Amino acid sequence: QVQLVESGGGVVQPGRSLRLSCAASGFTFSSYGMHWVRQAPGKGLEWVAILSYDGSNRYYVDSVKGRFTISRDNSKNTLYLQMNSLRAEDTAVYYCAKDAGGWPTNLYYFDYWGQGTLVTVAS
Amino acid sequence: ETVMTQSPATLSVSPGERATLSCRASQSVSSNLAWYQQKPGQAPRLLIYGASTRATGIPGRFSGSGSGTEFTFTISSLQSEDFAVYYCQQYNNWPPFTFGPGTKVDIK
Repeated sequence: QVQLVESGGGVVQPGRSLRLSCAASGFTFSSYGMHWVRQAPGKGLEWVAILSYDGSNRYYVDSVKGRFTISRDNSKNTLYLQMNSLRAEDTAVYYCAKDAGGWPTNLYYFDYWGQGTLVTVAS
Repeated sequence: ETVMTQSPATLSVSPGERATLSCRASQSVSSNLAWYQQKPGQAPRLLIYGASTRATGIPGRFSGSGSGTEFTFTISSLQSEDFAVYYCQQYNNWPPFTFGPGTKVDIK
């Protein structure tokens, strides 16, 4: 069965960095686009970033452009989110989510989600 | 950016009753709309994609309709496990992919 397990969250000071990981299993990771979606405490869902199956194409929400980098290691079945210059408004549960489409075409909705990892940006 | 709105913000329904939720897009998203269910402390779960196609394993009491800018999600007969927050998401105009603010379905 598909499993996505996020890790790397924690409490970090404003301006510092954090790297999240998402370990995938139960499907051919290298054939699927992957996303990060976040949810601030008590708030709704916000899409953050997408990375194509081979890592060649990536897109971000404007609020994280230039600060966050999505990447993947298909040999390790792992997705990453490098978060730099963190701000208080980045405080959220970060979910990795599998795109429902496989190579060569993403479908851009999310058929499996991890349980999330909480990032708290506070001094 | 395509802005998604949902109404009502909260819907109070008795078990066994029908629940109808609305989602509106600020511009056409064709039929590229999904619905998710989220329970407290859990990740969202995909229910509907393509505006009206149920995801694998989703019970028939869940249905979706609409296209363009107006969409409806219906639970035909609410079960106790259906009380949750429901989000719509468009994936036609991107980036970014955008979600509605959610509708909370609670017990009347």
